[in-house]
Amino acid sequence: EAGVAQSPRYKIIEKRQSVAFWCNPISGHATLYWYQQILGQGPKLLIQFQNNGVVDDSQLPKDRFSAERLKGVDSTLKIQPAKLEDSAVYLCASSLVPGEALHFGNGTRLTVT
Amino acid sequence: GESVGLHLPTLSVQEGDNSIINCAYSNSASDYFIWYKQESGKGPQFIIDIRSNMDKRQGQRVTVLLNKTVKHLSLQIAATQPGDSAVYFCAENTGGFKTIFGAGTRLFVKA
Repeated sequence: EAGVAQSPRYKIIEKRQSVAFWCNPISGHATLYWYQQILGQGPKLLIQFQNNGVVDDSQLPKDRFSAERLKGVDSTLKIQPAKLEDSAVYLCASSLVPGEALHFGNGTRLTVT
Repeated sequence: GESVGLHLPTLSVQEGDNSIINCAYSNSASDYFIWYKQESGKGPQFIIDIRSNMDKRQGQRVTVLLNKTVKHLSLQIAATQPGDSAVYFCAENTGGFKTIFGAGTRLFVKA
């Protein structure tokens, strides 16, 4: 099966600019996750979707981050405006059912200067 | 590619030796545990999982041990190979939907 696809692979922006990341999960996976991984740390959950509904967004900085999953398939994560501390790898993952083993994409590495 | 885990705890082993990576989890209500392997420039990859009604599970060259009394999880890799060099994360799921990752351990395999 095709894996989780993410784009872009790398992104460099200046602080206060906006940026968007795209994710296409494994076909048939109803649950989609966005994680933030700061260098030297484990992934931190930002938001979790079940189909096109939000299950958990308690760790999402909603003043600057937003995410959507239209039609329950692809998802986009947006940051506006970006801060220096947003520099991280943004990982998208999917699973067939909630709570089961996650399948990750290779992430988007964001550098905010 | 970019590096993962520059400041993580590190385990260095000789090729062919067995590796043991340890993890302490936080929530006594967690009932599902997963080990992931993350190579530089890639997303975490599933290795093996275990549910709380078990204390040991074996895969190909890997074994996971779960001690619920002390909230401890370990990953044993037999006959460690250079391709095993990576950062390893344990993750716990609290019976709901959220998977929480630990800080990770970097494994170096010396040839």
